[in-house]
Amino acid sequence: DIVMTQSPDSLAVSLGERATINCKSSQSVLYSSKNKNYLAWYQQKPGQPPKLLIYWASTRESGVPDRFSGSGSGTDFTLTIRSLQAEDVAVYFCQQYYSTPALTFGGGTKVEIK
Amino acid sequence: QVQLVQSGAEVKKPGASVKVSCKAFGYTFTDYYIHWVRQAPGQGLEWMGRINPNSGGTNFALKFQGRVTMTRDTSISTAYMELIRLISDDTAVYYCAHDILTGGSGVFDVWGQGTMVAVSS
Repeated sequence: DIVMTQSPDSLAVSLGERATINCKSSQSVLYSSKNKNYLAWYQQKPGQPPKLLIYWASTRESGVPDRFSGSGSGTDFTLTIRSLQAEDVAVYFCQQYYSTPALTFGGGTKVEIK
Repeated sequence: QVQLVQSGAEVKKPGASVKVSCKAFGYTFTDYYIHWVRQAPGQGLEWMGRINPNSGGTNFALKFQGRVTMTRDTSISTAYMELIRLISDDTAVYYCAHDILTGGSGVFDVWGQGTMVAVSS
């Protein structure tokens, strides 16, 4: 299985500041012939199911605010929250779907307000 | 809109089985894979497997092979996940999730509300 490693485990950011979450895969999730990275990001608030934010590493799901952006390729990816809002407090997970159907998630990054 | 509604919480004894249902609304049930993902208390997300509601074909994570069954009833747009020989480590919230693409991409755009399964003697 592809192992997904997120860092940091948690971070505290002031309101309006930038939050950056990293995700590294144990092997490339770039499908070269399609030039697509099979990497998604989810947000999970307490007591709720996860919510899809980004897929294909950088495509925002419909309705997701544009302060959320994804970048990276191959094995290294980043989720950036440009200007942290109070409602962004959550745990964020990356997930690879390159090795479908053997799908794997990162361990999660908890984002809090400083 | 697309919605998945799961069955209620369960409490089971070790060695028992549990069957969780996931009823789909708002789309053609047979067009999109349904996946099952679980989350132990305070832990991360773990993909268990998927079912193609059209064919009934399934794929499971190696960890669960031999212990999990996924089925569907197309007449009522409902998918099921059954886990047997439960142990305490199976205590978790179990989610069903809708695949964003008809080909079964592995991206989950809609999730059920979750079903808590507690395994305790």
